[in-house]
Amino acid sequence: AQTVTQSQPEMSVQEAETVTLSCTYDTSESDYYLFWYKQPPSRQMILVIRQEAYKQQNATENRFSVNFQKAAKSFSLKISDSQLGDAAMYFCAYRSEYGAGSYQLTFGKGTKLSVIP
Amino acid sequence: SQTIHQWPATLVQPVGSPLSLECTVEGTSNPNLYWYRQAAGRGLQLLFYSVGIGQISSEVPQNLSASRPQDRQFILSSKKLLLSDSGFYLCAWSRRTGGYTFGSGTRLTVV
Repeated sequence: AQTVTQSQPEMSVQEAETVTLSCTYDTSESDYYLFWYKQPPSRQMILVIRQEAYKQQNATENRFSVNFQKAAKSFSLKISDSQLGDAAMYFCAYRSEYGAGSYQLTFGKGTKLSVIP
Repeated sequence: SQTIHQWPATLVQPVGSPLSLECTVEGTSNPNLYWYRQAAGRGLQLLFYSVGIGQISSEVPQNLSASRPQDRQFILSSKKLLLSDSGFYLCAWSRRTGGYTFGSGTRLTVV
């Protein structure tokens, strides 16, 4: 079974600075998806960014970018120019491309990000 | 565009009472549908998923059940709630591959 590990339960960043959240995963598959979700105090889960494993280019979405290292099974999220609205729980998630695992998102335990004004 | 609706937003129920949470999706057909639970301060746990009408797969044995009476409707139920059923319940949909889109969630407190 796949596992997702977020080793930083909490992190903080100064407003306008850059922060990187870590995520590692364990899988024997070659085709899969990786995601970062944001959960603000409202608790709605919001997709931040996605990465297909077959793509070598790292995904970017405005101030959010990832560093995808397939061989190392690492998928970190970088937030540039941090804003107060970025304060939230961030979850890393894995989804298989094929098979029974493709029906399930496997989540890490989350990293709570605080933004200091 | 696709939207997902989940209700109610908040629910307080006594132990032993029944439960029914509803989720509907608009703007797509034959979605995969999911129910997740998030206990306080913890990650998300998949409870049920469905790939079609009447097709339900359970990931965790418990006193909850799910049903999919229509293509874009997913219902989470219980005949008798336990204190341990308290938590935040999230419905989600997806296509066969790719990411999930989540509903706004239901905060359930069993007293």
